[in-house]
Amino acid sequence: EVQLVESGGGLVQPGGSLRLSCAASGFTFSNYWMSWVRQAPGKGLEWVANIKQDGSEKYYVDSVKGRFTISRDNAKNSVYLQMNSLRAEDTAVYYCARGGQWLPLYVWGQGTTVTVSS
Amino acid sequence: QSALTQPPSASGSPGQSVTISCTGTSSDVGGYNSVSWYQQHPGKAPKLMIYEVTKRPSGVPDRFSGSKSGNTASLTVSGLQAEDEADYYCSSYAGRKNVVFGGGTKLTVL
Repeated sequence: EVQLVESGGGLVQPGGSLRLSCAASGFTFSNYWMSWVRQAPGKGLEWVANIKQDGSEKYYVDSVKGRFTISRDNAKNSVYLQMNSLRAEDTAVYYCARGGQWLPLYVWGQGTTVTVSS
Repeated sequence: QSALTQPPSASGSPGQSVTISCTGTSSDVGGYNSVSWYQQHPGKAPKLMIYEVTKRPSGVPDRFSGSKSGNTASLTVSGLQAEDEADYYCSSYAGRKNVVFGGGTKLTVL
């Protein structure tokens, strides 16, 4: 069964850091681009970042450039999102997703919640 | 404000058809055949329903169909069923290494 499981969410103060992880199983992880998408409470979806199969290309939405870093470890079938200088507006459920370079996003994890608050 | 514009709500009775629109610009919806649609039930992860404007992943009922005209894409759900009640989001590649989503449409089955 194809599965993505996120972890690492939690409560963090403004200006703090958090590292999200996404563990993949049921498919050849190293063959796919991976993405992070977030959803603020009661709001719509927002694409955050993606990373190429070998990690050589990474792209970010403007609002997180310079603060967030996406990475992957193909040996561990995992993708990560390092989030620094967190702001209240980063509060959201963060989903990892498998897809093409951009769209579509075929498979989604169940999400992990990040709350930025003092 | 979302990059793609969707109506906040739509509704229909069981068995009826409903169409949800997704309006962008020539830089996103109109410029690429990359529009995809996602269904999201409350508290659940999104699920891919339509990709590349008109294609359905395996396992998605053929009651779901997609189309595009100019800068507007549409999702049509035919033969509405109770389980179709959910939020629906469109998305498109927007060039300049970016993906955009619509604000979402809450579909109610009356």
